[in-house]
Amino acid sequence: AQSVTQLDSQVPVFEEAPVELRCNYSSSVSVYLFWYVQYPNQGLQLLLKYLSGSTLVKSINGFEAEFNKSQTSFHLRKPSVHISDTAEYFCAVSDMGGSEKLVFGKGTKLTVNP
Amino acid sequence: SAVISQKPSRDICQRGTSLTIQCQVDSQVTMMFWYRQQPGQSLTLIATANQGSEATYESGFVIDKFPISRPNLTFSTLTVSNMSPEDSSIYLCSVKSGITYNEQFFGPGTRLTVL
Repeated sequence: AQSVTQLDSQVPVFEEAPVELRCNYSSSVSVYLFWYVQYPNQGLQLLLKYLSGSTLVKSINGFEAEFNKSQTSFHLRKPSVHISDTAEYFCAVSDMGGSEKLVFGKGTKLTVNP
Repeated sequence: SAVISQKPSRDICQRGTSLTIQCQVDSQVTMMFWYRQQPGQSLTLIATANQGSEATYESGFVIDKFPISRPNLTFSTLTVSNMSPEDSSIYLCSVKSGITYNEQFFGPGTRLTVL
């Protein structure tokens, strides 16, 4: 079984500052990794994913995440945040073995202040 | 990615009643899922809605409480039965459209409040 830990429940930052949202996972098998974003009063949107290949994956709005197998981590970073990045971010894992289940972390609420 | 709609978007219900939530997808999909997001919590998978057969429920969720239908490849319903205030949550439908990778797309959710 998999589990996901997002250590920071809330992260407040100022606009244009860098941010890192941490995600660690536990699994006995190889996994796919995902970051989802939930803007206020909206559904979940897939932000980025790691399936295989390059360990650094990027989204179209400037976020990136790096898969680190030895540290079982998939931290999300952005060098300069905007107020519009204010949202809740969920890290999720799925095993490569065919299970259809997505296991989510508890989420990190990112608040970008002016 | 698939476009997913849910009805109703929100509802306020009385204890002991039932509510059926609909999920409609704009294309045929292989798998549909129902999740619950309790206030301040993460998402928990309730069940996988299988087309043409009974849903597959996760531990802690039972068919009598959360009956699911999936009559075709674009539509599913989740009923929350005999509701109590503890059922107040956001209920989300998701779909997996690809063959591999388990990349799932989510609907906007149904915000349920039980009084």
